[in-house]
Amino acid sequence: DIVLTQSPALAVSLGQRATISCRASQSVSISRYNLMHWYQQKPGQQPKLLIYRASNLASGIPARFSGSGSGTDFTLTINPVQADDIATYYCQQSRESPNTFGAGTKLELK
Amino acid sequence: EIQLQESGPGLVKPSQSLSLTCSVTGYTITSGYDWSWIRKFPGNKMEWMGYISNSGSTNYNPSLKIRISITRDTSKNQFFLQLNSVTTEDTATYYCATYTYQGFAYWGQGTLVTVSS
Repeated sequence: DIVLTQSPALAVSLGQRATISCRASQSVSISRYNLMHWYQQKPGQQPKLLIYRASNLASGIPARFSGSGSGTDFTLTINPVQADDIATYYCQQSRESPNTFGAGTKLELK
Repeated sequence: EIQLQESGPGLVKPSQSLSLTCSVTGYTITSGYDWSWIRKFPGNKMEWMGYISNSGSTNYNPSLKIRISITRDTSKNQFFLQLNSVTTEDTATYYCATYTYQGFAYWGQGTLVTVSS
């Protein structure tokens, strides 16, 4: 299985930039497609798709969220961070079955 | 808009089977997407369990392959999860979700299943 590694937590101030990373144990890219996706989950809620295929904003997601990366290294950026963005963020790969998720990065306020 | 809703028992005894239903509205499950089950364990680890495609084929996580079955009832626009021989390690929040290579776009609210005697 492809293992996705995320830092457990990130502390950030409101209005600042947050950069959350995800590293895959092997490439999750096929040709020009980077099969990495990002989700936001708040307590008691289901995960919400933020970014699909590394850099594409999902429907209804604010433009302060962006994604980048290819191969094994991917980044989710939130700029500027708002209070509503305090949540846990997960990366997920669909390059190879089984789909796998990272362990999540908890975004906290400084 | 596509909406998914999980239902089923919240408590299952060890060694028994866990059975959940995902009811879909706003989209016909034979029209597209693959229809997945995902679970989130206490401590936040998430595991994709498997899916049933819009054509009815299935794909399971090998870690669960001997215990899991995903089926559907197209007349009711529902799909189902059965997990056999459960242990306390199967205690989790279970989600149903749509799947494509663009990720899991639509999710149910999730249902907590506790395995305990």
